[in-house]
Amino acid sequence: DTGVSQDPRHKITKRGQNVTFRCDPISEHNRLYWYRQTLGQGPEFLTYFQNEAQLEKSRLLSDRFSAERPKGSFSTLEIQRTEQGDSAMYLCASSLLTSGTDNEQFFGPGTRLTVL
Amino acid sequence: GENVEQHPSTLSVQEGDSAVIKCTYSDSASNYFPWYKQELGKRPQLIIDIRSNVGEKKDQRIAVTLNKTAKHFSLHITETQPEDSAVYFCAADRDFNKFYFGSGTKLNVKP
Repeated sequence: DTGVSQDPRHKITKRGQNVTFRCDPISEHNRLYWYRQTLGQGPEFLTYFQNEAQLEKSRLLSDRFSAERPKGSFSTLEIQRTEQGDSAMYLCASSLLTSGTDNEQFFGPGTRLTVL
Repeated sequence: GENVEQHPSTLSVQEGDSAVIKCTYSDSASNYFPWYKQELGKRPQLIIDIRSNVGEKKDQRIAVTLNKTAKHFSLHITETQPEDSAVYFCAADRDFNKFYFGSGTKLNVKP
């Protein structure tokens, strides 16, 4: 499968624990995005990278959230001291942004986080 | 920041009828508008998109229209089929950065 992959697909954790998610984008895609989706809502932007540089973080993202893309390929999203309000689907997307192209973002299957 | 509103939240049509989903946006600088389809338990997938320099785009049974002056855009699905049943999200993007999504429309096509 050459699409965007995410691991794990499901994560159940207790409040206060740290969790880390991984996203593997489509190879050679230079842009990588993280979104959060709660039930009945559209995806909400969290952060994005161009290659290894993190270009923007949502103001809604608390200091407990951190993301990395160390070699410009896969990315990790870590949530520290999880809270019940963090329960959501975390979606990763990637795109190849070059001159003259649209920014079509390809989504992964998501990681569903449940915080007990 | 950008604010995208989408309606209706649910839409039920008879197979063969047309369906229209509407979105408005607030940032006049937004210039790219994709539409995604998300089936239950699956990832969002792009079905059609439009740039701000174009007023309409069609792809078989699907079309998108954009009114930049009014800051709204719409998805039109003709001759609906049961497999069109899904949640549809509109989004707005400025200068190919992050997407701002609407809250989604659950389309149910009754056979």
